[in-house]
Amino acid sequence: GENVEQHPSTLSVQEGDSAVIKCTYSDSASNYFPWYKQELGKGPQLIIDIRSNVGEKKDQRIAVTLNKTAKHFSLHITETQPEDSAVYFCAASSGGFQKLVFGTGTRLLVSP
Amino acid sequence: GAGVSQSPSNKVTEKGKDVELRCDPISGHTALYWYRQSLGQGLEFLIYFQGNSAPDKSGLPSDRFSAERTGGSVSTLTIQRTQQEDSAVYLCASSLLGQGPGGYGYTFGSGTRLTVV
Repeated sequence: GENVEQHPSTLSVQEGDSAVIKCTYSDSASNYFPWYKQELGKGPQLIIDIRSNVGEKKDQRIAVTLNKTAKHFSLHITETQPEDSAVYFCAASSGGFQKLVFGTGTRLLVSP
Repeated sequence: GAGVSQSPSNKVTEKGKDVELRCDPISGHTALYWYRQSLGQGLEFLIYFQGNSAPDKSGLPSDRFSAERTGGSVSTLTIQRTQQEDSAVYLCASSLLGQGPGGYGYTFGSGTRLTVV
């Protein structure tokens, strides 16, 4: 089955810096890669996703890149703000978009 | 409702007791998922319901775990004879038919924090 690895487990940046979180996956058939943000005491919320026919996608300060050959994808946050502090999870689909396999999460801390 | 509702938000139980966790999905969402989140870990898939199809139970860790979805809406996750390793946050999510976990229909609840003492 699919296996998703995520790095780093923790990331501390200064406000205004960029943050990059990387994930690798094992199943070459996976074709959907979402990113979720989880704030304390809340469920994960989708922030951006990418499908296998696209190499990069941007939404304001966040972007995701996908390299299917290398089986890795990354989340990029520019001009970080304290409210970006949260745990971020990457995921990959397995079984026709119906079941997500998640990475172990990255705790991002943005210091003012 | 406006979102996925889970109850209780917190549950403390004694080892060996049975517990029931409830999930109310978004109205009209036909797919429902249960995930488990242990401390410092990612989200572990447990079970998936889609319409009237047989559920995908491939993620249930043992036969002490079971889930039902009545009337295609509310779901209950039951853990029998709880063990300390069952302590985790149990998350439910729902989505629209055919959209799977994709960007437009996959919404998580806030979870139930289960502590087995």
